[in-house]
Amino acid sequence: ETGVTQTPRHLVMGMTNKKSLKCEQHLGHNAMYWYKQSAKKPLELMFVYSLEERVENNSVPSRFSPECPNSSHLFLHLHTLQPEDSALYLCASSQVPGGVNTEAFFGQGTRLTVV
Amino acid sequence: ELKVEQNPLFLSMQEGKNYTIYCNYSTTSDRLYWYRQDPGKSLESLFVLLSNGAVKQEGRLMASLDTKARLSTLHITAAVHDLSATYFCAGVSYNTDKLIFGTGTRLQVFP
Repeated sequence: ETGVTQTPRHLVMGMTNKKSLKCEQHLGHNAMYWYKQSAKKPLELMFVYSLEERVENNSVPSRFSPECPNSSHLFLHLHTLQPEDSALYLCASSQVPGGVNTEAFFGQGTRLTVV
Repeated sequence: ELKVEQNPLFLSMQEGKNYTIYCNYSTTSDRLYWYRQDPGKSLESLFVLLSNGAVKQEGRLMASLDTKARLSTLHITAAVHDLSATYFCAGVSYNTDKLIFGTGTRLQVFP
């Protein structure tokens, strides 16, 4: 248990559905991240929230919409996804600015399948 | 923009053998991380390397950092089956806190 909890662990959704992924961290960190992990591709950074402000959006399609209501919670709202969006979505948190305590801790991930 | 490359992408090795995974990065990185991921599981932090010449060891794994060469290595000594996993290195862009990951090295240790 890393202190970062993601729900659900598995999600199957149709292309017309709307769903949300949730991430919660109990580590007192002030930065949270969404990563996408597809087969045969590197881990892709999607969004970064630092001090509850979005500081990074790596050209992610608008069908992915993040929300960070406070420093402990992060959501990824999904709508009209495509089959190629099927992947493992990982949430992570860390403390910024960094220095020696910048280690990022990851949640267990949500395995998303779009049908 | 920081880019991180790992090699090899896949490594199949016999128990008891030694091998090294390499992680090259393109621009200055404040620090370098190594993570382990078991199939279907999340990423587990192994090492945090903060300065040039840093060396850290845990069991059969040893990580080092050469900031001048922009290279980190993860050395495996006398591999055992339990080390089978995917290993990722990650750098951090200078003056930001974004973790940029390498492609990962899938390690398979067989008897």
